[in-house]
Amino acid sequence: GAGVSQSPSNKVTEKGKDVELRCDPISGHTALYWYRQSLGQGLEFLIYFQGNSAPDKSGLPSDRFSAERTGGSVSTLTIQRTQQEDSAVYLCASSLAVPGLEAPYNEQFFGPGTRLTVL
Amino acid sequence: QKEVEQDPGPLSVPEGAIVSLNCTYSNSAFQYFMWYRQYSRKGPELLMYTYSSGNKEDGRFTAQVDKSSKYISLFIRDSQPSDSATYLCAMSAGNQGGKLIFGQGTELSVKP
Repeated sequence: GAGVSQSPSNKVTEKGKDVELRCDPISGHTALYWYRQSLGQGLEFLIYFQGNSAPDKSGLPSDRFSAERTGGSVSTLTIQRTQQEDSAVYLCASSLAVPGLEAPYNEQFFGPGTRLTVL
Repeated sequence: QKEVEQDPGPLSVPEGAIVSLNCTYSNSAFQYFMWYRQYSRKGPELLMYTYSSGNKEDGRFTAQVDKSSKYISLFIRDSQPSDSATYLCAMSAGNQGGKLIFGQGTELSVKP
């Protein structure tokens, strides 16, 4: 079946512009995660969605970053007034998650990422 | 100090060697321990996961968790050139919606 897809695969933008990154999770996966991977910082958690709500936004680095999820499926990560330090690969992951239970680990399936370059 | 520390390498070994990759962590709430493999320009893919302490074996791969020392390891036996990738350890407390905390990743190169 289809995996997690992300678009665009590459994005080059100028400092100060806004960008939108899109994630299509695996069908039926209720949990969706955004991570950022940059040199020297590794892979960092940004935000977690369960359905359309975001119980954990603790990783968003500033108020320039926001994300939404609609219909329990597609998610968009928006970065306003981009800065050069925002340059990174933005990865999306999805998983089957059973809220409210001490479930076994639910594997997170990652997309290929969007490589963002801010000039 | 990061919650999860991992030597970034790079690590270069000859084909057939045994590879040892390690991570240390500071958060005693972590219960789930994962190893992901990431090829260049691809997303990470889960290689192995372990719940709590102990060993787990899958083919040429063995994962070990020592919670008393806050130390996890991944061993690769009979390494192959196709194992060349970046290996990331990841951990979760299990009660935070599955949020993963990653190490920096170790870049491994297996030479034919």
